[in-house]
Amino acid sequence: AQKVTQAQTEISVVEKEDVTLDCVYETRDTTYYLFWYKQPPSGELVFLIRRNSFDEQNEISGRYSWNFQKSTSSFNFTITASQVVDSAVYFCALTPMNRDDKIIFGKGTRLHILP
Amino acid sequence: EAQVTQNPRYLITVTGKKLTVTCSQNMNHEYMSWYRQDPGLGLRQIYYSMNVEVTDKGDVPEGYKVSRKEKRNFPLILESPSPNQTSLYFCASSRPGTGIYEQYFGPGTRLTVT
Repeated sequence: AQKVTQAQTEISVVEKEDVTLDCVYETRDTTYYLFWYKQPPSGELVFLIRRNSFDEQNEISGRYSWNFQKSTSSFNFTITASQVVDSAVYFCALTPMNRDDKIIFGKGTRLHILP
Repeated sequence: EAQVTQNPRYLITVTGKKLTVTCSQNMNHEYMSWYRQDPGLGLRQIYYSMNVEVTDKGDVPEGYKVSRKEKRNFPLILESPSPNQTSLYFCASSRPGTGIYEQYFGPGTRLTVT
C-alpha cells in the first residue's frame, strides 16, 4: 500500500525564518515519483517539483530546496528566508511508476508566515 | 494559454438536484482526474480517465459519475447530491505519454449541498 504522511498539520514562523516541511512516504514499489504542490489562499494548486526515485540529489530553486532521502523514505521541503507570500497549504504526493493512474496525496501542511 | 478550466467555480444546490461540473483542458492531455478536497483529509481521487472512453474509479467514487467522450472534456456528474458531497473539487490533467508527471489542476469548484 502507498501512503504519504505530512505530520505537521500547521506551522507558523516569522518572516525571514527558515522552515522545513516534512514528508514521509510508504510504498512497496522500487520506482516512483514524488511531488510537492502549493495551494495559496486563492485556492489553486501549483506544481512545485517532481522527483523520481532514481535520483537522490537534493534540488534547490531559489529560496526553495528539497531533500530526498530514500533510506528514511522522506522528501522534505525547506523554504529559506520565508516571505509572507509563502503562506499556503503544501501537499506532498507520490505516484508509483508502474501505476501511472494513481497519485497519492498527503493531507497537507498549512504554513503561516507572520510579518 | 495552456490551462484546465472548470465550471462553475461556486455552486450552492439542494439535496437530490442533479448537477454537472464541467472540466476542459487545452493541452491534449490523455490523463484526466477528479479530486475532492476536505479539511484534514487532503485530496482524494474520485475518478480518473487514461484516455477517451476509458474511466476508472478512484478512492471515493460513490455518488459520482464521469464520462470521457472527447479528449478535452471530463465532466463530473452528481446524480443525486447529498450534503456529504459538500466539498472543494479539482479537475486535473497530465501530459500525454506514459506515467503521471506534473498534473495541471483547474481552479477548483466549491460545491455546497444543503
